[in-house]
Amino acid sequence: NAGVTQTPKFRILKIGQSMTLQCTQDMNHNYMYWYRQDPGMGLKLIYYSVGAGITDKGEVPNGYNVSRSTTEDFPLRLELAAPSQTSVYFCASSYSRTGALRDTQYFGPGTRLTVL
Amino acid sequence: QKEVEQNSGPLSVPEGAIASLNCTYSDRVSQSFFWYRQYSGKSPELIMSIYSNGDKEDGRFTAQLNKASQYVSLLIRDSQPSDSATYLCAVNTSGGFKTIFGAGTRLFVKA
Repeated sequence: NAGVTQTPKFRILKIGQSMTLQCTQDMNHNYMYWYRQDPGMGLKLIYYSVGAGITDKGEVPNGYNVSRSTTEDFPLRLELAAPSQTSVYFCASSYSRTGALRDTQYFGPGTRLTVL
Repeated sequence: QKEVEQNSGPLSVPEGAIASLNCTYSDRVSQSFFWYRQYSGKSPELIMSIYSNGDKEDGRFTAQLNKASQYVSLLIRDSQPSDSATYLCAVNTSGGFKTIFGAGTRLFVKA
């Protein structure tokens, strides 16, 4: 199993440009998450999905959009990039709802995004 | 009040010593608690999870949970230079769908 994969690893965007961060997991996990991590900070949840076709906002959703058409894929879309979106983005997945099966989150390697 | 609070450190301990990392949380009905280790430039990886009051041991790691006081801690015995990393405390909220992460504690183990 490859686990959670993310592309690209690095990207530089100009203000106002758009891009999609790709995330794929091959563990048949129901739950997927997008986080951002600013320097010296913890992870902030952007969006999450509990299954194909179902998504919901996290703590910091403004400026981002997501979709979940398949169990495996959970892309994150930035429509109008802003310098405040410079960060490292991590995708994660877990098997089931926390508390029921005490799910562990498995993280992808991250995408380092710079907006200039 | 932050939902999950950790001392940012850095915490510096000599090789072979015990490193003690602490975390407090605000949601009184939180159910699940995790410690993730993150090396510089890498993604977080789970090292311990705990769900009941008391201690849970796994090798050199011991997680301690006190729900009445709303704190969770991680002890690393016989610390090694390879333990030098940032340790993130994570708490699943009462709704269960969201995990709230602390800002992390940087640990340095001096050889």
